[in-house]
Amino acid sequence: QVQLQESGPGLVKPSETLSLTCTVSGGSISRSNYYWVSIRQPPGKGLEWIGSIYYSGTTYYNPSLKSRVTMSVDTSKNQFSLRLRSVAAADTAVYYCARLADYYGPGFDTWGQGILVTVSP
Amino acid sequence: QSVLTQPPSASGTPGQRVTISCSGTSSNIGTNNVNWYQQFPGTAPKFLIYSNNQRPSGVPDRFSGSKSGTSASLAISGLQSEDEADYYCAAWDDSLNAWVFGGGTRVTVL
Repeated sequence: QVQLQESGPGLVKPSETLSLTCTVSGGSISRSNYYWVSIRQPPGKGLEWIGSIYYSGTTYYNPSLKSRVTMSVDTSKNQFSLRLRSVAAADTAVYYCARLADYYGPGFDTWGQGILVTVSP
Repeated sequence: QSVLTQPPSASGTPGQRVTISCSGTSSNIGTNNVNWYQQFPGTAPKFLIYSNNQRPSGVPDRFSGSKSGTSASLAISGLQSEDEADYYCAAWDDSLNAWVFGGGTRVTVL
């Protein structure tokens, strides 16, 4: 059974870059028909899709964040990463990594536990 | 303001049927499949319904989904105390080229 685990700093200063890594275990990140996804949830609020990446490196980003987001994949480490530049307090959120499976219509069928990232001086 | 519209809350007594609506447009729900997620406080969302009305393995058949036009619904029949959670709908939006979510509905078991 595939598991996802987020890692990275829990505190980032305003104007700096948020960097998170998601490690995939129990299955290969290089399998076809899966995209790897970053989703965030500000405290007490709803879910927001940040972007998706395929193992080949193809990416799709939320237009509202596209100018600040970069996602990358390292198939040798079975990891993918998120970088969000020029962060502000509004970027404070729990950041989730998830798997988007074509088989489910598609749908986000597997999620990491999430990591709280606070943007503060 | 979420692209998909859900009521902020819903409630029912044990055993009742509760329905949650999710309203969208022709560019999201009207064209693409709807998924539903269940989230307990402090935990990651759980995949609940896919392709409008299909349940992943392990999801009780008390949960059902439907879609008509630009709206979708999640129904919980035989409501149980363990169903108290937040529920989110999601769909791909062809105009925004983005995955969009509803704002979430908190279900309370009275």
